Amino acid sequence: EDQVTQSPEALRLQEGESSSLNCSYTVSGLRGLFWYRQDPGKGPEFLFTLYSAGEEKEKERLKATLTKKESFLHITAPKPEDSATYLCAVWPASKLTFGTGTRLQVTL
Amino acid sequence: GAGVSQSPRYKVAKRGQDVALRCDPISGHVSLFWYQQALGQGPEFLTYFQNEAQLDKSGLPSDRFFAERPEGSVSTLKIQRTQQEDSAVYLCASSLVSGKETQYFGPGTRLLVL
Repeated sequence: EDQVTQSPEALRLQEGESSSLNCSYTVSGLRGLFWYRQDPGKGPEFLFTLYSAGEEKEKERLKATLTKKESFLHITAPKPEDSATYLCAVWPASKLTFGTGTRLQVTL
Repeated sequence: GAGVSQSPRYKVAKRGQDVALRCDPISGHVSLFWYQQALGQGPEFLTYFQNEAQLDKSGLPSDRFFAERPEGSVSTLKIQRTQQEDSAVYLCASSLVSGKETQYFGPGTRLLVL
């Protein structure tokens, strides 16, 4: 059975304090790994898609990387507006399988 | 441009009532997905359409849940005889062709069954 585990469950950072979120997965044939951001009361907002080990993508203060067993979302010098839940999902077949997310809070 | 829209945004139902949740995907998107998200959890897959064909309904939790997309555009998720455990946010997503492309999500419908 496909499984996605995200850690930590919650993370509190001060503004400017860089860190990484982890997404480890077991899946029979990975076709893609997705990162989404979700704000309270809203639907997930697409951030990145990674398709193969070694791939990296960047957007503003976020950088996503992928290995054969896990993905990292690196946040460099975060700002309070980066506070959200970050969801990782794998694409093995016809549907996305999500992790439970990491709730990130960035304080001044 | 217009994204995925869902209505209603909030729905309160009495236990035993039937409810219908609507999803308008991004124009031209072939694939449409429904997910259920419980509080503090990630979305869980319910069902998937490609045009009007329902290709996967393995995530529907019981035969009280039914989804349709008769003209390959708007979709409706219907829940019959609602139970308290049906309380959740129901998310709709669409993608351009197959599911491998990025899925774009709507804002969700928050269902509360009393």
